[in-house]
Amino acid sequence: AQSVTQLGSHVSVSEGALVLLRCNYSSSVPPYLFWYVQYPNQGLQLLLKYTSAATLVKGINGFEAEFKKSETSFHLTKPSAHMSDAAEYFCAVRGSGTYKYIFGTGTRLKVLA
Amino acid sequence: DAGITQSPRYKITETGRQVTLMCHQTWSHSYMFWYRQDLGHGLRLIYYSAAADITDKGEVPDGYVVSRSKTENFPLTLESATRSQTSVYFCASSESAGQGYNEQFFGPGTRLTVL
Repeated sequence: AQSVTQLGSHVSVSEGALVLLRCNYSSSVPPYLFWYVQYPNQGLQLLLKYTSAATLVKGINGFEAEFKKSETSFHLTKPSAHMSDAAEYFCAVRGSGTYKYIFGTGTRLKVLA
Repeated sequence: DAGITQSPRYKITETGRQVTLMCHQTWSHSYMFWYRQDLGHGLRLIYYSAAADITDKGEVPDGYVVSRSKTENFPLTLESATRSQTSVYFCASSESAGQGYNEQFFGPGTRLTVL
């Protein structure tokens, strides 16, 4: 069964610093991977998704993620944090042969002025 | 309105009462999902549906009932609400399989408080 682990329930970075949010998946086959963002009192929005076309995936708002099969990871990065990036971020996986999505427990990003 | 909507956005009820949360999407997506979001647990799948009249249990289905008579609607009913069902509930939809990387689209959520 597929699973997702997000390391760090809370991450704080200074404005302008690198953002790194970690996601590791467990799957016997390359899965479909997603990153979502949730702003306060809102639903989740898609940031980016891995479609196997390229290992480095670019998303909205300057975020990107790299699929590393050898490490079973799909970490989310942004070179320079902005105050507006403060939100909760969820990694999700969908295995082949299923239409269920499995979500990580989320990482709350705080951006310090 | 185009998209996926949930109603009500906020609901306060009492223990033992029946509550129905509504979800409506305008894209004719085949798949629909109900999640609950609680601190420390992320999103947990309650029920999901592949099409009208096809539903399956997710991770935490106890105490909940769903139906899907029309493609665009997927109501979630708490038959006898308990305090442990106090949570934020999200509905989501996605296009059908064949393209495994189809993402989910989420509604704005319903914040339910059971007193």
